[in-house]
Amino acid sequence: KQEVTQIPAALSVPEGENLVLNCSFTDSAIYNLQWFRQDPGKGLTSLLLIQSSQREQTSGRLNASLDKSSGRSTLYIAASQPGDSATYLCAVNGATNKLIFGTGTLLAVQP
Amino acid sequence: SQTIHQWPATLVQPVGSPLSLECTVEGTSNPNLYWYRQAAGRGLQLLFYSVGIGQISSEVPQNLSASRPQDRQFILSSKKLLLSDSGFYLCAWSMAYEQYFGPGTRLTVT
Repeated sequence: KQEVTQIPAALSVPEGENLVLNCSFTDSAIYNLQWFRQDPGKGLTSLLLIQSSQREQTSGRLNASLDKSSGRSTLYIAASQPGDSATYLCAVNGATNKLIFGTGTLLAVQP
Repeated sequence: SQTIHQWPATLVQPVGSPLSLECTVEGTSNPNLYWYRQAAGRGLQLLFYSVGIGQISSEVPQNLSASRPQDRQFILSSKKLLLSDSGFYLCAWSMAYEQYFGPGTRLTVT
């Protein structure tokens, strides 16, 4: 059974700092991995999708990497801003098009 | 462009009352549709998914049900709500394996 873990559960950083969020999964037989952002009381916003054949994806200040063999993904946020404050969720897709989610990392960027 | 709608945004219902949450998608055809629940302090749990009209798969046993009467409409229902049904309900659609989520419905069962 696939299990997805995100570390740390919560993170507080000063504005401008670069940071890394971690996601690990137990079954490496995944089709893709997706990173989401969730603001309080809101739905999920898709940030990046990495196919299993890819090593990384970039969008603006965000960079996500995937090491399928070791069951790990990282989300790198450069030059963090207070507007980046949110919960970040990773989810893996085992080719059934059903996502298994981690419990998230709550990020607070202090101005 | 594609958009996904959910309503109502918030709902407070007594235990034992019925439930109907609706989700509609615009700008795409024959999407896969999903219902997730996010309970306080817990992660997102897949409840139902559908690959076409009338085709529903249930992921967890519960007193909820789902229906897809039209290609871009997905409905979550219950005949009698339990306290444990409280949570944030999210609808999602996908094409080509990337999922997109709606704004969610906050359900409080009292």
